Amino acid sequence: RKEVEQDPGPFNVPEGATVAFNCTYSNSASQSFFWYRQDCRKEPKLLMSVYSSGNEDGRFTAQLNRASQYISLLIRDSKLSDSATYLCVVIMNTGFQKLVFGTGTRLLVSP
Amino acid sequence: DAGVTQSPTHLIKTRGQQVTLRCSPKSGHDTVSWYQQALGQGPQFIFQYYEEEERQRGNFPDRFSGHQFPNYSSELNVNALLLGDSALYLCASSSSPTGGNQPQHFGDGTRLSIL
Repeated sequence: RKEVEQDPGPFNVPEGATVAFNCTYSNSASQSFFWYRQDCRKEPKLLMSVYSSGNEDGRFTAQLNRASQYISLLIRDSKLSDSATYLCVVIMNTGFQKLVFGTGTRLLVSP
Repeated sequence: DAGVTQSPTHLIKTRGQQVTLRCSPKSGHDTVSWYQQALGQGPQFIFQYYEEEERQRGNFPDRFSGHQFPNYSSELNVNALLLGDSALYLCASSSSPTGGNQPQHFGDGTRLSIL
């Protein structure tokens, strides 16, 4: 079983739609959680951290469920510019900071 | 304030050759991590350098080696290149090996193609 699993998509949605991505992780000792965004042929860029209490940044909402080892990202009012791959990232509790990435979920927003 | 910089941007090699990729961390960062991202996959952790030593290693063969210099910059070396080594190689830096659970910031990457 992979340490971090995501649905690879692609998710094809029209502008203005709401879309949700899910991610599960296998190591219950995982400490920190993030969503990164990666545009085609570019480096991953931090989108937002994920907290148990849930956090929101504009149109983006992230949620963590430690009991179910599940992370989600909700994008409201999708824009064309949201088209990208969204990577779920977990930091394992190894004493050293090692990021473990999911395979990414590709989002395509169309006019 | 320069972010993480990597060189070269693109590289083409043939099987059996050796390659060296370079990374300069973000100003104020002393820890460098390397990742390999194959097409359609998420980045995979190769290793992390701190205080000029390899501190942690992912599931990569010994053909992958690295180095960190006193100025915190780092090199990734890959020997006896295989077709499967074709990937985007990403460097990330942080201010400590534990990073305080803060996210890492990535360079633009080096795209390596093996013919």
